[in-house]
Amino acid sequence: QKEVEQNSGPLSVPEGAIASLNCTYSDRVSQSFFWYRQYSGKSPELIMSIYSNGDKEDGRFTAQLNKASQYVSLLIRDSQPSDSATYLCAVNMRTGANNLFFGTGTRLTVIP
Amino acid sequence: GAVVSQHPSWVICKSGTSVKIECRSLDFQATTMFWYRQFPKQSLMLMATSNEGSKATYEQGVEKDKFLINHASLTLSTLTVTSAHPEDSSFYICSARGGDAEAFFGQGTRLTVV
Repeated sequence: QKEVEQNSGPLSVPEGAIASLNCTYSDRVSQSFFWYRQYSGKSPELIMSIYSNGDKEDGRFTAQLNKASQYVSLLIRDSQPSDSATYLCAVNMRTGANNLFFGTGTRLTVIP
Repeated sequence: GAVVSQHPSWVICKSGTSVKIECRSLDFQATTMFWYRQFPKQSLMLMATSNEGSKATYEQGVEKDKFLINHASLTLSTLTVTSAHPEDSSFYICSARGGDAEAFFGQGTRLTVV
């Protein structure tokens, strides 16, 4: 089992819809969770961090964490064509700066 | 967010030569830096993890004598691709973090070996 798993997609949603991106992780004691966005040909950029169970909202983005289910998701409301990118889930497993694992990413396309 | 600067953003070199890529954390102390390689339409592939003042830890299959990593200070890490070959052409990306906080990525370096 991979440490961090994401559906590779591609995921296509119409403009204005809600895009839901999911991620599961293997280490139950993981404490820190991150979502990155990577546009084609560019490096990833951090868009959300979440540390506690529940929802964390930032503009059109909502991160959801369920540690019991070892599941973290990212919702994008009112999706825009500019949201089309690959979204990477990252999990810091246990303590230690070296223990940051990335999923392979989900490719999202928002259709105008 | 914090700023990580990677230089150069692109480089073309001749086969057999060496290329050095720099990664700097501009506004925080990076206790750990990561180096990735990404081929077109593929996922990030972690090459190595380095802690300041220590030898880098390389992922399986990555040749440490070919990809030399130096993390001599809390703000600078370098990746040197030695004796580059066309198959080394790729997008190289560094990221940096302080402690177990978020990691921030550099802009990436597109290497073309001719």
